[in-house]
Amino acid sequence: GAVVSQHPSWVICKSGTSVKIECRSLDFQATTMFWYRQFPKQSLMLMATSNEGSKATYEQGVEKDKFLINHASLTLSTLTVTSAHPEDSSFYICSASRLKETQYFGPGTRLLVL
Amino acid sequence: DAKTTQPTSMDCAEGRAANLPCNHSTISGNEYVYWYRQIHSQGPQYIIHGLKNNETNEMASLIITEDRKSSTLILPHATLRDTAVYYCIAPSNDYKLSFGAGTTVTVRA
Repeated sequence: GAVVSQHPSWVICKSGTSVKIECRSLDFQATTMFWYRQFPKQSLMLMATSNEGSKATYEQGVEKDKFLINHASLTLSTLTVTSAHPEDSSFYICSASRLKETQYFGPGTRLLVL
Repeated sequence: DAKTTQPTSMDCAEGRAANLPCNHSTISGNEYVYWYRQIHSQGPQYIIHGLKNNETNEMASLIITEDRKSSTLILPHATLRDTAVYYCIAPSNDYKLSFGAGTTVTVRA
């Protein structure tokens, strides 16, 4: 149990375009989902927390207008990187938890912006 | 999160037990200790968590000292697939996970 999927697993896009990443909890209802970013040779950094049906809470320094998060159902959250630039190239990872219990992570999405 | 301190790296032999220490001297009474690992280019994998008592599951054992200021993750029979970065985290009441540098564990044949 506690399986979280992400789609796509990797994406290449042109600078200025928008990219949507999906995060799904496959076998449990996720009341809270988290989005992280990881640059090469660095640790994971929390970007935002989203509760189902509520607006996401962003960490300091993360632009909410650039990284749009939607958590419309108990099994799906999406992260949209708007007007992507090369510096947004990173490994994006989501996690999901039920009722503030253990977080389970997705496999990650590698984004390359050219 | 309570601050946690882990060794930067450690090696262990395949088939032997791997003991990974973590110090969390500022942990409060209701903060759990969580362990995750991240294998290269993958999302973190949950291993185990505990509050006061020792815990065991199919992956590992977690030994927490009586004063809760430190803990040890034990991989009973390390395999090459256990090579990963291991993170010890004590999230605060907001349940956010703060990932430090972790311990890079290399299992050698």
